[in-house]
Amino acid sequence: GQNIDQPTEMTATEGAIVQINCTYQTSGFNGLFWYQQHAGEAPTFLSYNVLDGLEEKGRFSSFLSRSKGYSYLLLKELQMKDSASYLCAVTGTASKLTFGTGTRLQVTL
Amino acid sequence: EAQVTQNPRYLITVTGKKLTVTCSQNMNHEYMSWYRQDPGLGLRQIYYSMNVEVTDKGDVPEGYKVSRKEKRNFPLILESPSPNQTSLYFCASSLLLTTDTQYFGPGTRLTVL
Repeated sequence: GQNIDQPTEMTATEGAIVQINCTYQTSGFNGLFWYQQHAGEAPTFLSYNVLDGLEEKGRFSSFLSRSKGYSYLLLKELQMKDSASYLCAVTGTASKLTFGTGTRLQVTL
Repeated sequence: EAQVTQNPRYLITVTGKKLTVTCSQNMNHEYMSWYRQDPGLGLRQIYYSMNVEVTDKGDVPEGYKVSRKEKRNFPLILESPSPNQTSLYFCASSLLLTTDTQYFGPGTRLTVL
């Protein structure tokens, strides 16, 4: 089976940097996704990691360590519009994608 | 415009009344799936399809049926809805496999009384 853990809620200040962690245990591993989901809306793709290391895309970066079963999403220069849930998802086999319960991020002034 | 569409967006129904939620994508994607999202439980996969006429159960398939007669459509069928199926449902598609980016539909909020 697959198990994914991430914090339930986080709060950060506008302009700051926040790191959202995700740990996973899976039978097989074919990559890890981060999705952003605003309240009442569909998830949208942020990043995909399949090799160890850091992937940077503008203000967002994602890191993966396969040996530790660990990933994080780093958000820089936080903006109010970044208030959303961030979903970690792991693909264990070609047909199976499992989501964590999500981390709700609140950005404050 | 590349998109995944779902209908209806909102539905209130009663226990036992059969319903179908449609899902259609215009990106020629092979892989499609259905999720339900409940507070504190995250997105859970109901069924998925790797190609036309190929479907399989996800983590929470009980009480649901699907079909994949054409590549673009993947309807979700609730033969006899019950209140515990009240949820937010998302359809998603990706090019080939789950290693490809999932594109989600806008969601269907279902209430079963």
